[in-house]
Amino acid sequence: AQTVTQSQPEMSVQEAETVTLSCTYDTSESDYYLFWYKQPPSRQMILVIRQEAYKQQNATENRFSVNFQKAAKSFSLKISDSQLGDAAMYFCAYRRTGTSGSRLTFGEGTQLTVNP
Amino acid sequence: DTGVSQDPRHKITKRGQNVTFRCDPISEHNRLYWYRQTLGQGPEFLTYFQNEAQLEKSRLLSDRFSAERPKGSFSTLEIQRTEQGDSAMYLCASSIILPVEAFFGQGTRLTVV
Repeated sequence: AQTVTQSQPEMSVQEAETVTLSCTYDTSESDYYLFWYKQPPSRQMILVIRQEAYKQQNATENRFSVNFQKAAKSFSLKISDSQLGDAAMYFCAYRRTGTSGSRLTFGEGTQLTVNP
Repeated sequence: DTGVSQDPRHKITKRGQNVTFRCDPISEHNRLYWYRQTLGQGPEFLTYFQNEAQLEKSRLLSDRFSAERPKGSFSTLEIQRTEQGDSAMYLCASSIILPVEAFFGQGTRLTVV
């Protein structure tokens, strides 16, 4: 079974600084998807960024980028120029490819605080 | 609003009562998922529909839980004989085949007293 581990229950960053959230996963599959989701206090889960395992290039979305290390099964999220609105719970998630196995497996989450 | 809609947002019920939640997915999305999230934890998968067919169920989905998606549109999740351990946020998400991202609703928070 696939597992996702986030070893940092809480992180904090100063506004405008950079922070990196860690995620490791375990799978026997060679092709899969990895995601970072953000869950603000309003509770609606919002997709931040997606990475396909077959792509060597790390995904980037504006201030958000990932460091995907397939051999190490590591998938960290870097937030640059942190803003107050980035404060939220961040979840790393895994999904198999193919039309079956669509479920997301989530990590325990990292609570990010942004200090003004 | 074209996002995933869940109703009600909050539900307080007495132990032993039955409750039903509704999820309206994004209109063109043929895949619908239910997750359960307890405080401070990541969501846990409950069940998955493709159109009206329930294709996968988690072991977490005990006999007291049932989900339906008639006509492949909205879905309902019913919990019979609620227990205090059922208290959680119930999240619904929907997607299409490609791209693979799932879009989540705001959830239904269930409190069993």
